[in-house]
Amino acid sequence: RKEVEQDPGPFNVPEGATVAFNCTYSNSASQSFFWYRQDCRKEPKLLMSVYSSGNEDGRFTAQLNRASQYISLLIRDSKLSDSATYLCVVNRVGDDMRFGAGTRLTVKP
Amino acid sequence: EAQVTQNPRYLITVTGKKLTVTCSQNMNHEYMSWYRQDPGLGLRQIYYSMNVEVTDKGDVPEGYKVSRKEKRNFPLILESPSPNQTSLYFCASSRNRADNEKLFFGSGTQLSVL
Repeated sequence: RKEVEQDPGPFNVPEGATVAFNCTYSNSASQSFFWYRQDCRKEPKLLMSVYSSGNEDGRFTAQLNRASQYISLLIRDSKLSDSATYLCVVNRVGDDMRFGAGTRLTVKP
Repeated sequence: EAQVTQNPRYLITVTGKKLTVTCSQNMNHEYMSWYRQDPGLGLRQIYYSMNVEVTDKGDVPEGYKVSRKEKRNFPLILESPSPNQTSLYFCASSRNRADNEKLFFGSGTQLSVL
């Protein structure tokens, strides 16, 4: 079983739509959680960290559910420029980042 | 400008011909790491280094070597490449391993081994 699992998609949504991705992780010792964005064949870039109480950054909202071991990313009012692959990443103290395989999002006009 | 510089961007080679992918960072980071990315598998760590002369295996180290003789450089060496090493490779760095949530990535190397 993969340590971090994501629905690969693709998610095809119209501009202005709200879309949500989930990610599950298997190691209950995981302590830090992140969403990275990756454009086609380019380097991943940190989108946002995920905090226990949930956090928001503009149109993006991230939430963590430790009991069920999943994190989520909600994108409101989708823009064409949001088209990318979104990587779920978890980390344990003293260990290295574990990346999900990514969820592909395409926002269409 | 703070950056991780990775070269080459694209590389096509043949089985068995030794190659090196270079990685350099200008942020005085202690921690550096190599990943490979394959469809459906996400980024998998090959090797990492916590400081000069300190390197360790990641999840998929077979067929790869690294060195960390200087803080800024962390080359990835394939002594005898094979077709199953065809992949997209990324180098990354962060201030230190404990602070590796803020990873800076190089622009990637697409390697094809024929």
